[in-house]
Parts: sequence; C-alpha cells; structure tokens
Amino acid sequence: GEDVEQSLFLSVREGDSSVINCTYTDSSSTYLYWYKQEPGAGLQLLTYIFSNMDMKQDQRLTVLLNKKDKHLSLRIADTQTGDSAIYFCAERSYGGSQGNLIFGKGTKLSVKP
Amino acid sequence: DSGVTQTPKHLITATGQRVTLRCSPRSGDLSVYWYQQSLDQGLQFLIQYYNGEERAKGNILERFSAQQFPDLHSELNLSSLELGDSALYFCASSVGSGRSYEQYFGPGTRLTVT
Repeated sequence: GEDVEQSLFLSVREGDSSVINCTYTDSSSTYLYWYKQEPGAGLQLLTYIFSNMDMKQDQRLTVLLNKKDKHLSLRIADTQTGDSAIYFCAERSYGGSQGNLIFGKGTKLSVKP
Repeated sequence: DSGVTQTPKHLITATGQRVTLRCSPRSGDLSVYWYQQSLDQGLQFLIQYYNGEERAKGNILERFSAQQFPDLHSELNLSSLELGDSALYFCASSVGSGRSYEQYFGPGTRLTVT
C-alpha cells in the first residue's frame, strides 16, 4: 500500500536553510503536500506540488520533486525560530474521487538562536 | 485560521463511554474528512463525506461512526471508548472530493479516555 517516510528530527541554526526530506511509494500520486503543525495547534497547509512539476517556490519555501526516486523535499530559507514545528509530508491516495491524505510521521524542526 | 471549526477543544471521559465530536467545514466546502493523530500511529485517515454521502473509509473502527448533515457540518461518534482511543481528532474540509482539492484542517479535538 501507500507509505510516506520522513526523518523524525532536524536541528538548524537561525538564519541557515533547512531541508526536510520525504519519500513516498505510490507512483500514481499526483499531488504532494507539506503541512506544518505548531505545538497544540492544527495542521497548516504550507504548499503543494503537482507531479508534473519538478520545483515550486513560494517565498522562503522551495519544494523539489524527484519523481524517479519518489523523493520530495521542502527547503526553508533563512530559517527563523518561529519555524520550529513538526512538518508533515502527505500524498493523496490513489483512486478516483477519493481524496484522503496519507501522511508521514512528521519531522520535528528545532531552530536554535 | 483555516475556517474549519471543531468542538469541543478538549474532552475527558471514561472507558466505555460514548462521545460526539463536531466539525463545521469552511464556507463553500462540500467534503469533510476525519483524521486521528496518536503518538504511535501518527496521522491516520478515518472517513470522508461529500455533500452528505460517505465517500471513502480508512482505518475506522466499527465502534466509530460519522455523518454529514444537510447544513454540511459533520459529527464523529466514538462509542465503547478504550484507553487507546485517546488521541487528537482532526476534521478537514475541501471544496470537492478528488485529488486536486486542498484540504484545510481544523484545530482538532483532544480526547482523553481515563
């Protein structure tokens, strides 16, 4: 079945770039998402990419997609302490009108001042 | 603020009890999804409704049920609660049902079963 994997932790210094990686198994995935969860809060949609794209940039966020290796990454430029959160990669399940998301376990990003 | 609301924010109850979680989707969204977030299982999809009809089922236990009402709000019913049901329950909504529609999440309901 579908599976999404992420490393669990990432620690960076304020001002550096952060790169969060994700691999997925469903070759038919056409939409891939990044969500952010701050402590005690819900999931905030950060960005998404269609599988016919290789890259998408949105202000400080850059998403790279390598379809051959089924690898997705999220780069946060000039990381700030406010970026400390858990970041989830998600793919849409295969199948017609179904739209539920398959999530990775999340990467906890810690930003040190 | 995503525009998706969930009530209550916190719920504490005992094993064997039954609870109802409520979700109001964003204005104009027809599809509602329920997810469970626990430490050991992560975020798991439970069930999806679209315009009042069940559209997809995930890892939802038989003790759990849901419905979507004509005004599009949804309720998730959890019965015969066990300690392992303690989790964060999220509702998400989207305009349509297919893969091209972004899902926006509510703040969640934290359920504690004692």
